[in-house]
Amino acid sequence: QSVLSQPPSTSGTPGHRVTISCSGSSSNIGSNTVNWYQQLPGTAPKLLIYSDNQRPSGVPDRISGSKSGTSASLAISGLHSEDEADYYCAAWDDSLNGVVFGGGTKLSVL
Amino acid sequence: EVQLVESGGGLGHPGGSLRLSCSASGFTFDNYALNWVRQAPGKGLEWVAVITGSGVTTYYGDSVKGRFTISRDNSQNTLYLEMNSLRAEDTAEYYCARSDYFGSGSFDYWGQGTLVTVSS
Repeated sequence: QSVLSQPPSTSGTPGHRVTISCSGSSSNIGSNTVNWYQQLPGTAPKLLIYSDNQRPSGVPDRISGSKSGTSASLAISGLHSEDEADYYCAAWDDSLNGVVFGGGTKLSVL
Repeated sequence: EVQLVESGGGLGHPGGSLRLSCSASGFTFDNYALNWVRQAPGKGLEWVAVITGSGVTTYYGDSVKGRFTISRDNSQNTLYLEMNSLRAEDTAEYYCARSDYFGSGSFDYWGQGTLVTVSS
């Protein structure tokens, strides 16, 4: 049971937009920034969004993040087949003194 | 270019020990906190431990507290994870990851991982 809650799966068609939600509490998302990772099969995770809505260099602007209260969302527009991957949210938790991850969301591009 | 390269994975026995290493290059090593993150086969990501750039402060996930020890040698640009009292549920790919700051869930660089299998 993960501290942060994500839907296990979602899907979309090429060119369309999907969002992935991440729900937490006051000790994690409510008081610290949210980060998002993409993990392609057989590879290490890659930072996609940091500090709620910032994109590292090289991440396209069709990918965006937002946060409100104790929930956050990742949005991917203009879906490509190569977006098919697992996506994880993460945040520092002040009560646990550690990083907590969501359980991950598998995105399928149909 | 920032690089993190893990080593030391392999077969460990229940109740036994293993030591993982993560060799870093391409950045000022002691300026950054470092973490271990693991992923059991077919499962999600689980944060294991973090250590500050100086090595003075460490935090651990509840599932490894008291059994695992994170440390670093800033003269050798190397991060370690000493794993004791191994359990079957410690079987996972172990990644080292750099934090952009201590107390952050933002890991900007990851190694390729090293697989630990705990089995009798």
